[in-house]
Amino acid sequence: GESVGLHLPTLSVQEGDNSIINCAYSNSASDYFIWYKQESGKGPQFIIDIRSNMDKRQGQRVTVLLNKTVKHLSLQIAATQPGDSAVYFCAENKGGAQKLVFGQGTRLTINP
Amino acid sequence: DTGVSQNPRHKITKRGQNVTFRCDPISEHNRLYWYRQTLGQGPEFLTYFQNEAQLEKSRLLSDRFSAERPKGSFSTLEIQRTEQGDSAMYLCASTVYRGGHNEQFFGPGTRLTVL
Repeated sequence: GESVGLHLPTLSVQEGDNSIINCAYSNSASDYFIWYKQESGKGPQFIIDIRSNMDKRQGQRVTVLLNKTVKHLSLQIAATQPGDSAVYFCAENKGGAQKLVFGQGTRLTINP
Repeated sequence: DTGVSQNPRHKITKRGQNVTFRCDPISEHNRLYWYRQTLGQGPEFLTYFQNEAQLEKSRLLSDRFSAERPKGSFSTLEIQRTEQGDSAMYLCASTVYRGGHNEQFFGPGTRLTVL
């Protein structure tokens, strides 16, 4: 079936470095993508979204890149901080019900 | 705190018992979603409501599961005759649908453990 997947299950970076989390999706009809952050014991927290008519969107310390040619999505976090430690999920949606299809997640660990 | 609340936060029950969870969405949000999340996995869609109407149910939602949103505000998810495989985090999310795409705000979840 169609799914959203992630390339790496874990990622460790030094505090202050930039992080890049990748995601591959297979549903070419998807037109909306979201990155969520989930800390232990909490629900997913919205980080940033991007529509399929865009290839880049920037937020505060975060940038999402969308490459529709290869069906690839990435989340860049600049100057990582200890509070960025969490599991990051990409999710896709293709309109209608707007139900989200999530990938497995990448655990980001920030080393001091 | 996203403004979506869920109760209880934790529920431990014995196999075969019935359980009910509650979700209170952000007040002006007309769409409400239920997801299930098992350890190490991303959330999986279960069902959603627009106002009080339940518009879609996943095949994951067996006949032991029922969800309601009677007045288009809070929602309940009931699991009858619980099984150990029902152990998971049950997440609720809400959004205001105006056409196009809108951010879904998630609650903290209810963690269910079936012994």
